[in-house]
Amino acid sequence: QKEVEQNSGPLSVPEGAIASLNCTYSDRVSQSFFWYRQYSGKSPELIMSIYSNGDKEDGRFTAQLNKASQYVSLLIRDSQPSDSATYLCAVKGNTPLVFGKGTRLSVIA
Amino acid sequence: SQTIHQWPATLVQPVGSPLSLECTVEGTSNPNLYWYRQAAGRGLQLLFYSVGIGQISSEVPQNLSASRPQDRQFILSSKKLLLSDSGFYLCAWSGQDYEQYFGPGTRLTVT
Repeated sequence: QKEVEQNSGPLSVPEGAIASLNCTYSDRVSQSFFWYRQYSGKSPELIMSIYSNGDKEDGRFTAQLNKASQYVSLLIRDSQPSDSATYLCAVKGNTPLVFGKGTRLSVIA
Repeated sequence: SQTIHQWPATLVQPVGSPLSLECTVEGTSNPNLYWYRQAAGRGLQLLFYSVGIGQISSEVPQNLSASRPQDRQFILSSKKLLLSDSGFYLCAWSGQDYEQYFGPGTRLTVT
């Protein structure tokens, strides 16, 4: 059973702080990694993809991948109340994407 | 650019009634298509995926079925709904890079 684990939260951070979201996965052959944001009552929205070890930055978002540790993270700098949502980690190996259950982030103004 | 449509947006159906949810994608050819269900407060459950017309893979055996009659059309069906079928149904598409893009979803309540 291929698994993707995330802390369910809620993770509360003050406005302007860095939010750090973490994800571990069990399938060692995984090659592609994705972060989705899901607002309450809405469908998930792709915000980052990462395929190689290291960091990938896009605006206020940075994805970090460590395949040896089977660990992927998402950093959100200068967190805003509008970032309050559930963040889903997804991992692609030899099967369709496997999603974690998500971490609920709350940014406090 | 690519667009994915789902309808209806919300649906209330009695137990034992049939179901048909439709998903269409615009702006791409030969997409991979997916149906997910998200129950209240729970994660995404992959129900079916398709890599081409008439090719359907089922991830979870249940009273649901899927069909892909055209390249960019994906249909989720049931002959008799159960209470446990309630949830948020999401259609998604991906290209060869496996980045999945979701439609707006259908919220189904079985009463």
